Amino acid sequence: SQTIHQWPATLVQPVGSPLSLECTVEGTSNPNLYWYRQAAGRGLQLLFYSVGIGQISSEVPQNLSASRPQDRQFILSSKKLLLSDSGFYLCAWMVGNYGYTFGSGTRLTVV
Amino acid sequence: AQRVTQPEKLLSVFKGAPVELKCNYSYSGSPELFWYVQYSRQRLQLLLRHISRESIKGFTADLNKGETSFHLKKPFAQEEDSAMYYCALKTADRGSTLGRLYFGRGTQLTVWP
Repeated sequence: SQTIHQWPATLVQPVGSPLSLECTVEGTSNPNLYWYRQAAGRGLQLLFYSVGIGQISSEVPQNLSASRPQDRQFILSSKKLLLSDSGFYLCAWMVGNYGYTFGSGTRLTVV
Repeated sequence: AQRVTQPEKLLSVFKGAPVELKCNYSYSGSPELFWYVQYSRQRLQLLLRHISRESIKGFTADLNKGETSFHLKKPFAQEEDSAMYYCALKTADRGSTLGRLYFGRGTQLTVWP
């Protein structure tokens, strides 16, 4: 079956520390993958998307970066976190024209 | 540029009352619209999409290109409908299979007993 995994579920990090969030999918190959951030009062904002290994497109300029080292792995990173990076991060995978399947998300709090 | 607007941040109705969650969009291409729902402590999940013209859990949504709207409706709300609802617009680059979903800010629906 097709599933998407995201971890960790929650994370508290100090300002200036690095970040690495991981997302993996199972049961499919060459998926389109996406990172979203859900900030309070701002809805879901598309951050990055990828159509294949090593192919990353950034939707908005920010303190974050993304990488896709393997077909079914998508990583969100930062070298130095800012307070404004706090939020709920969602990984998603597009299944044909049916829409997205979302991961369970990571709640990041930068302190 | 594309844009999805959900004008109501919060919406409350009583059980059995009709409910309508508004969604307007702007997009120069041919739109594909979706409604996603997030119940408490659950993942964001697809509720329905306009191209399938389906009714899910009693909800329907009709794409009105003239008014650029895709409002979500249910004639008789139930307590279990309480959730956050997101309207989303899918865009696609010409000649590409890649689609990107752009979401509205969401409407928190509360159905009172």
